[in-house]
Amino acid sequence: EPEVTQTPSHQVTQMGQEVILRCVPISNHLYFYWYRQILGQKVEFLVSFYNNEISEKSEIFDDQFSVERPDGSNFTLKIRSTKLEDSAMYFCASSDSFTANYGYTFGSGTRLTVV
Amino acid sequence: QKEVEQDPGPLSVPEGAIVSLNCTYSNSAFQYFMWYRQYSRKGPELLMYTYSSGNKEDGRFTAQVDKSSKYISLFIRDSQPSDSATYLCAMSAAQKVTFGTGTKLQVIP
Repeated sequence: EPEVTQTPSHQVTQMGQEVILRCVPISNHLYFYWYRQILGQKVEFLVSFYNNEISEKSEIFDDQFSVERPDGSNFTLKIRSTKLEDSAMYFCASSDSFTANYGYTFGSGTRLTVV
Repeated sequence: QKEVEQDPGPLSVPEGAIVSLNCTYSNSAFQYFMWYRQYSRKGPELLMYTYSSGNKEDGRFTAQVDKSSKYISLFIRDSQPSDSATYLCAMSAAQKVTFGTGTKLQVIP
């Protein structure tokens, strides 16, 4: 079964450093997303991406964050100048045109720890 | 008022029991209603979705949506230890999906 792949599974970084979280969505999917889950809290929407541009973003997704699809297979989330409160699980997801409203496939996540 | 409210549990039931999981919501614009299952340190996995009000059955799982009451439910029949996980309700009006906090379920053999 096709899956969304995320790397690394765990990233530890010093406060103030930049991190790039990587995702390989399912190959025929057109819609890409990043969500995050702070420990013990709910899964929160960060951003959706379609046709090489951001289609929607949340208030969490401020200038500290950026997304990119640098080639035909990867989808990245960059966090500049990380803060302690950025520590969370970050999930990438993708969907096709028929399931974009409900049928995400999530990756297993990257656990980001900011120290 | 939170957009989506879900009792975090934990909910502990004996194997074979019928499990009822519920969420309420406040945003009338939500049209798609979903249930995801999340195992520890894994991403959410879509179990079922329903468009607008109504019931949907898939094996041991039944999803119900009552838009007039802004209330959704997931029923699990003949629960198994392998059903032990956190169950997330979720809903959307467009591409963005809003999740509940999740209910942790433990099915005891």
